[in-house]
Amino acid sequence: QKEVEQNSGPLSVPEGAIASLNCTYSDRGSQSFFWYRQYSGKSPELIMFIYSNGDKEDGRFTAQLNKASQYVSLLIRDSQPSDSATYLCAVKRDSNYQLIWGAGTKLIIKP
Amino acid sequence: GAGVSQSPSNKVTEKGKDVELRCDPISGHTALYWYRQSLGQGLEFLIYFQGNSAPDKSGLPSDRFSAERTGGSVSTLTIQRTQQEDSAVYLCASSHLWQSNTGELFFGEGSRLTVL
Repeated sequence: QKEVEQNSGPLSVPEGAIASLNCTYSDRGSQSFFWYRQYSGKSPELIMFIYSNGDKEDGRFTAQLNKASQYVSLLIRDSQPSDSATYLCAVKRDSNYQLIWGAGTKLIIKP
Repeated sequence: GAGVSQSPSNKVTEKGKDVELRCDPISGHTALYWYRQSLGQGLEFLIYFQGNSAPDKSGLPSDRFSAERTGGSVSTLTIQRTQQEDSAVYLCASSHLWQSNTGELFFGEGSRLTVL
C-alpha cells in the first residue's frame, strides 16, 4: 500500500461544474496536508494546505480533511479550462520536514 | 532571480556517462530539496539541505547519486554511470526553514534527463 494514494485519472469535468479530487493516506501521525497543482511540463505550485478536520475555503477551492477516515479532498467550484492540470496531494508529520507525495490526479475541464 | 532556477532544462545522455544538474534556489532560502519525478509517479525525495547542517541523504537511490550545496546556495546533483532507469524529471525546491516546516516549497522548472 502506498503511503499517499490518489486516483490517477484522468478525471473529466464539464466547465462550470464541481471537480472533486480525493487523497487517502496511511500514516495516522500525519498532521499537515497539501494540494499542489502541476501544469503539464511545469513545476508544482502550492494551492491549498489544511491542518484541522473540516473544510477550508479559498476562493473557488475547498480542502476537506477527515483524519479519522484518513482522507483529504479538494473541491474546485465553477471549474475552468485553466484548472486542467495534475493535482498532487502531499502529507507531512509536524516533526518532519519531509513531504510524502501522491502520484497525482490528472484533471481535465472540458469547455 | 525571482524563482528557483534549474539547468539544464533537458539533458540527453548515453548510458554510462556522468551528468550534473544544477539548482539555484531563491535568494535567502536556507532549505533545498531534490526530488525525482518519473512518468505517472509521485515526487520521490532524494536529498535535503538545511543551512550548514549535515544533509539528509536518505532518499538517494544508490551510491551513483550525490549532491553538494556550496556556500549554502547553489546545489549540484551528480549522477555517475547513468542508467536508463535514471531517466526522469529532477526537481529542485527551496524554502525558508519555517516554510519547509509548513510544507510550502517553491519548485524550479526541473531538469528532464533522458538516458539512452
